[in-house]
Amino acid sequence: AQKVTQAQTEISVVEKEDVTLDCVYETRDTTYYLFWYKQPPSGELVFLIRRNSFDEQNEISGRYSWNFQKSTSSFNFTITASQVVDSAVYFCALSRGAGNQFYFGTGTSLTVIP
Amino acid sequence: KAGVTQTPRYLIKTRGQQVTLSCSPISGHRSVSWYQQTPGQGLQFLFEYFSETQRNKGNFPGRFSGRQFSNSRSEMNVSTLELGDSALYLCASSLASTSGPGELFFGEGSRLTVL
Repeated sequence: AQKVTQAQTEISVVEKEDVTLDCVYETRDTTYYLFWYKQPPSGELVFLIRRNSFDEQNEISGRYSWNFQKSTSSFNFTITASQVVDSAVYFCALSRGAGNQFYFGTGTSLTVIP
Repeated sequence: KAGVTQTPRYLIKTRGQQVTLSCSPISGHRSVSWYQQTPGQGLQFLFEYFSETQRNKGNFPGRFSGRQFSNSRSEMNVSTLELGDSALYLCASSLASTSGPGELFFGEGSRLTVL
């Protein structure tokens, strides 16, 4: 069975602080794909990143960085120098690769306080 | 480039009624997926259509059904509505890919309230 756990339900940080959002996944597949999506208050989910199970290289995109560790089945997301515009609900998701069936975590609501 | 369009955006129904939601994907996208989002259960996969065929199906009762037309537009139908069907229904489209699941582009959703 596939499962994604985001243990942090809500996080509040003060602007300019760094924050890490945790994501732990479960799957028996050797090939799988991991994603992060952002859902701002406006409601529309926005794609942030995709990683496949064979690529454990960490990625940095501006203030965003992702740490993928197969040994701990984790795919954590760090925002450096957070900004108010980062306030949103962030979802981690897993796909087995057979089509576009995604298993989403329950999301982490991030509030950045000015 | 136009995004994913869902209609209607809001609707109110009563128990026992049925509802049809519509989704127009991004031009060129042949995969359309549907998700139910609720505060308690989060985002749950309903089904995916690709080239008018259901490719994947989630664990929802048979009251939930869908279809896709030749122009890739999709509809989902919920019959005999229950209070628990109140949710935000999200449609997502994606390009077909041979290298695994692609980026999903989501619509703004259809918010269904069942009274």
